[in-house]
Amino acid sequence: DTAVSQTPKYLVTQMGNDKSIKCEQNLGHDTMYWYKQDSKKFLKIMFSYNNKELIINETVPNRFSPKSPDKAHLNLHINSLELGDSAVYFCASSPHPASSTDTQYFGPGTRLTVL
Amino acid sequence: DAKTTQPNSMESNEEEPVHLPCNHSTISGTDYIHWYRQLPSQGPEYVIHGLTSNVNNRMASLAIAEDRKSSTLILHRATLRDAAVYYCILSLFSGSARQLTFGSGTQLTVLP
Repeated sequence: DTAVSQTPKYLVTQMGNDKSIKCEQNLGHDTMYWYKQDSKKFLKIMFSYNNKELIINETVPNRFSPKSPDKAHLNLHINSLELGDSAVYFCASSPHPASSTDTQYFGPGTRLTVL
Repeated sequence: DAKTTQPNSMESNEEEPVHLPCNHSTISGTDYIHWYRQLPSQGPEYVIHGLTSNVNNRMASLAIAEDRKSSTLILHRATLRDAAVYYCILSLFSGSARQLTFGSGTQLTVLP
């Protein structure tokens, strides 16, 4: 059983389009995250949701809008895609948002290429 | 911000121990030290974490200096499957949540 799954695995699209990436976790965790890994391999947190509520929102353009329909799902919608949005996007989950010992479980990533 | 410093890359021979160092001189008393690794084309995966005492699990050991300003991840017998980027991370509190702030990590190459 896949703990954290993402779809699609690859996404190739044109500049200006709108696209969504979906994430689901079957671990029963309360907290989910979106990270972006750029071409230089730096992994940066974008958002975090706890029980469908946004708790971390780093300086991400408004074109990025996370949506959490329930605590097992956290989707990422991106409007007006730009070349600089090309990256690998990772979803993750953890049991609680504030515990200093909690492990985060990562999905396999979605490689987004904007042409 | 508490940050970590790691060597960019290290090499090891297969079946030999590997010691991956990390400096975190600005660590605060309640910050846990976490290690994650990222295998090629995969998401990061948890390796180990600790606060003050040395820790062991099935994947690795974590040795933490007495002053907590540095730590070392120890892989007891490196295999080719251990080739990955290893991240040493301090779990920092941001607003109402703790977050992992990844640095550039150490690229471990395991030679057959």
